[in-house]
Amino acid sequence: DGGITQSPKYLFRKEGQNVTLSCEQNLNHDAMYWYRQDPGQGLRLIYYSQIVNDFQKGDIAEGYSVSREKKESFPLTVTSAQKNPTAFYLCASSVGTGGQYGYTFGSGTRLTVV
Amino acid sequence: QKEVEQNSGPLSVPEGAIASLNCTYSDRGSQSFFWYRQYSGKSPELIMSIYSNGDKEDGRFTAQLNKASQYVSLLIRDSQPSDSATYLCAVNRLRDMRFGAGTRLTVKP
Repeated sequence: DGGITQSPKYLFRKEGQNVTLSCEQNLNHDAMYWYRQDPGQGLRLIYYSQIVNDFQKGDIAEGYSVSREKKESFPLTVTSAQKNPTAFYLCASSVGTGGQYGYTFGSGTRLTVV
Repeated sequence: QKEVEQNSGPLSVPEGAIASLNCTYSDRGSQSFFWYRQYSGKSPELIMSIYSNGDKEDGRFTAQLNKASQYVSLLIRDSQPSDSATYLCAVNRLRDMRFGAGTRLTVKP
């Protein structure tokens, strides 16, 4: 079955540590996105990529980094520079660019700082 | 002004009633509009998309779009307890999508 796989489902980060969240899709979608969701808030865009080897900053990119070396994969690294990383992270993909036909979401990664 | 605004709720309706969820957006250039359902602790699931003015029906769900008023709504008929979730309104931009904060709906048996 086609879909988006995010791993791990739960992740615990120590202060000063970098962690990487995995996102893989087998939908042959061109565009991929990373959003962050905090309790009671909407989704905020971290980074997006419309083509391999290219990506753009979203609204809250500080403290995060991404890569897009393969069409299927769009990993997100939460660096130690991100001071408040505890949140629910969602990866999404879309046909074409801009999400004009909607997004497909992965199941999410819940990151907690310990 | 937020790009996509929704009443945060919570909205509570009895089982079998019609639930009405509303959303306004600021970008007049937006062409695609979506409703996602998100159960607690889960990721959003696309339930409706609408691209032109008027109504679009799919089962118990009806999406309504009025581009002149920059207004999108979702009606859920014959509401069921399983409809209890947060509903996110989303509006596309040129390269990504903007989401509202969501309206939490509770359907009471």
